[in-house]
Amino acid sequence: AQSVAQPEDQVNVAEGNPLTVKCTYSVSGNPYLFWYVQYPNRGLQFLLKYITGDNLVKGSYGFEAEFNKSQTSFHLKKPSALVSDSALYFCAVREGAAGNKLTFGGGTRVLVKP
Amino acid sequence: EAQVTQNPRYLITVTGKKLTVTCSQNMNHEYMSWYRQDPGLGLRQIYYSMNVEVTDKGDVPEGYKVSRKEKRNFPLILESPSPNQTSLYFCASRGGGNYNEQFFGPGTRLTVL
Repeated sequence: AQSVAQPEDQVNVAEGNPLTVKCTYSVSGNPYLFWYVQYPNRGLQFLLKYITGDNLVKGSYGFEAEFNKSQTSFHLKKPSALVSDSALYFCAVREGAAGNKLTFGGGTRVLVKP
Repeated sequence: EAQVTQNPRYLITVTGKKLTVTCSQNMNHEYMSWYRQDPGLGLRQIYYSMNVEVTDKGDVPEGYKVSRKEKRNFPLILESPSPNQTSLYFCASRGGGNYNEQFFGPGTRLTVL
């Protein structure tokens, strides 16, 4: 069975500082990995994905994520956080080409303080 | 505008009273799915559909039904709602291969008393 772990319920960071949101996964076969963001009272918005190729993936709003196969991790990063980045972030995994199921982590709340 | 719409956005009901949450997408996507979001549990898949008349159970299908009679619509039916179905529900759709991201609706907050 596939699974995703987001070990931190909440991450606090000062505006302008680097932001990291951690994600580890477990899946049979090659993973397709996704990050989504949820702002208050809104649906989930897609940020970025890793399918294959370069381990460093760049996405929307200045976010990027690094795929590490040996550590089964896909951490989300932003070099300089903004107050407007405060939101709930979800990591998700699908099992490669054969998988129809998208499994989500429990979510990490990011609070960026001015 | 490409979007997934859900109705209603908010619903308070009582135990046992049948209800339907509608979901519609205008992107001609084959794949549609329903999730529920509960604090600390992330999103859990209820049902999904690969195309018209093709549906399958997700992780938490008990107490729910779905149908896919048209490509654009994927309603979620609660025949006899119970308080443990109080949750935030999201519909999502995806086109093309499963390497594509899903598009989510705005959510339906359901309270069952």
